[in-house]
Amino acid sequence: DAGVIQSPRHEVTEMGQEVTLRCKPISGHNSLFWYRQTMMRGLELLIYFNNNVPIDDSGMPEDRFSAKMPNASFSTLKIQPSEPRDSAVYFCASSLMRSSYNEQFFGPGTRLTVL
Amino acid sequence: AQTVTQSQPEMSVQEAETVTLSCTYDTSESDYYLFWYKQPPSRQMILVIRQEAYKQQNATENRFSVNFQKAAKSFSLKISDSQLGDAAMYFCAYYSGTYKYIFGTGTRLKVLA
Repeated sequence: DAGVIQSPRHEVTEMGQEVTLRCKPISGHNSLFWYRQTMMRGLELLIYFNNNVPIDDSGMPEDRFSAKMPNASFSTLKIQPSEPRDSAVYFCASSLMRSSYNEQFFGPGTRLTVL
Repeated sequence: AQTVTQSQPEMSVQEAETVTLSCTYDTSESDYYLFWYKQPPSRQMILVIRQEAYKQQNATENRFSVNFQKAAKSFSLKISDSQLGDAAMYFCAYYSGTYKYIFGTGTRLKVLA
């Protein structure tokens, strides 16, 4: 398996622009997570999907952030409009929620820079 | 609410030596899992080792081992015979069986040649 795939790996944009981050989870996994990593706050869970349905979006910082999972093999995280404080590394992770510890497999992350 | 604390922002170790990274956590649960993840410069998060709270025996994976002290809520990672490839950020994480992992803020490990 190719693992969790994220694109782009790097994104540089200007304040006010729309940003879309993409994720392809591991085939067969039924859960998907979006995280944001910053020096100040570490790794924060933004949103959790189970069977394509958003279960917990309490970590989504503002209405400027939205996430979708139209099918089991694709998810997007959109920021509109983007702001400099959104600069961070965004990770997608997937999991098969049937084992006792439900190991999460992470993608390589997208480094977002908002100028 | 559960919390995970890594009090060492940065550690250094000489190549071939042993280093211990600290992690403490707070929970009222009795059944849970603890993990150490490695994040090298490539950013890829890699699971290093896992410990089930109900097991008294400390987990070991090759050069990596843990010291799990359940009463003290402590979970340290020992890396023996450190190698240059061990240089990375290391994250301690807690999982109690729902879906949410709680991560510490990380410890940056430098390996000196």
